[in-house]
Amino acid sequence: DGGITQSPKYLFRKEGQNVTLSCEQNLNHDAMYWYRQDPGQGLRLIYYSQIVNDFQKGDIAEGYSVSREKKESFPLTVTSAQKNPTAFYLCASSTQVQETQYFGPGTRLLVL
Amino acid sequence: DQQVKQNSPSLSVQEGRISILNCDYTNSMFDYFLWYKKYPAEGPTFLISISSIKDKNEDGRFTVFLNKSAKHLSLHIVPSQPGDSAVYFCAASGTSYDKVIFGPGTSLSVIP
Repeated sequence: DGGITQSPKYLFRKEGQNVTLSCEQNLNHDAMYWYRQDPGQGLRLIYYSQIVNDFQKGDIAEGYSVSREKKESFPLTVTSAQKNPTAFYLCASSTQVQETQYFGPGTRLLVL
Repeated sequence: DQQVKQNSPSLSVQEGRISILNCDYTNSMFDYFLWYKKYPAEGPTFLISISSIKDKNEDGRFTVFLNKSAKHLSLHIVPSQPGDSAVYFCAASGTSYDKVIFGPGTSLSVIP
């Protein structure tokens, strides 16, 4: 059963803490993405990766970091440098960057 | 500067009537356009797409129209159903682009 999964569904972060959001896909897609959605706003691109061991900054990369060591996995770390991390985070994948993206169910990050 | 615009943040339509969601883009290099549907607290799902070599693409109740000269596309839903109530994102990409650009979304409410 192919798809893209994100965990956890909800995540709480304390002040000064780094947290990592998981994203896994078994669609054999080369490209993967992280977006952030704030209430009443659209999707803003944080980072994307076209291929394993390569990634590029999106429009709002500051305070975030990623890695792409495996084709199936693209974890996102929200660092303490991200001053407003509360948002809904969406991971997506596609065969290539210009192609249709398939999204995971999202992770809601809340700051304690 | 928004390259993909959805100027109507929200739209209400009676069940059974036509819903028309509009999208404008600024970059003439875009040659592939997509519509995504998103329910609250879920990831967006792909709905329909159109290539710039076409001016219309139809899939069941959903039709997308593309007017390249006006840099405008629209999504028609006929007949509208209550289950269509969601946020709809317009997105654009191109063969010379390395990412997909999303619009801010339009929230559609179909009233029974």
